[in-house]
Amino acid sequence: DGGITQSPKYLFRKEGQNVTLSCEQNLNHDAMYWYRQDPGQGLRLIYYSQIVNDFQKGDIAEGYSVSREKKESFPLTVTSAQKNPTAFYLCASSTGLPNYEQYFGPGTRLTVT
Amino acid sequence: AQKVTQAQTEISVVEKEDVTLDCVYETRDTTYYLFWYKQPPSGELVFLIRRNSFDEQNEISGRYSWNFQKSTSSFNFTITASQVVDSAVYFCALSETGGSQGNLIFGKGTKLSVKP
Repeated sequence: DGGITQSPKYLFRKEGQNVTLSCEQNLNHDAMYWYRQDPGQGLRLIYYSQIVNDFQKGDIAEGYSVSREKKESFPLTVTSAQKNPTAFYLCASSTGLPNYEQYFGPGTRLTVT
Repeated sequence: AQKVTQAQTEISVVEKEDVTLDCVYETRDTTYYLFWYKQPPSGELVFLIRRNSFDEQNEISGRYSWNFQKSTSSFNFTITASQVVDSAVYFCALSETGGSQGNLIFGKGTKLSVKP
């Protein structure tokens, strides 16, 4: 089945630790995206990548890093510099064209204590 | 500047009632695309509809219908005869052809609760 997988569904970390969230897609999409969702805030764009080996900062990139070494994969690292990392993280992919919808993964809920 | 506003934070209805979710957008582009997504309690966003700026025809899909009006920059979503399974957060989003193509600008969402 084609789709986007994110793992794990729930993640717990201690403050001060870096953590990497996985996102894989088999839709052959060029573009991939990471969003953060907080209660009442909607979705905010963290990073996006339109093509392999290239990525751009979104609206709230501080404290996060990404890589795009393969078309299928776009992992997100939440670093210790992110002041409030507890949130729901959603990965998405699309063709990258503005007339095409984004497909979303099931999300990872990160809790940092 | 581009922006999507969903003024209704939460709506609660009783099953079988009709409900309309409002979406107002701002953009300077003449060509743009509007989307609605549904986020059930499981968390994954589900695509519902896409509409381009040149097509103002209303669309109906089963109990769902969408009303796009460029004159008021609105793209409202109506659920007819609501059901408990419609309970979710609904997001309206905008995609422009200029700037970062393919990026979606989301509203903050409307949480719909349908009670039996």
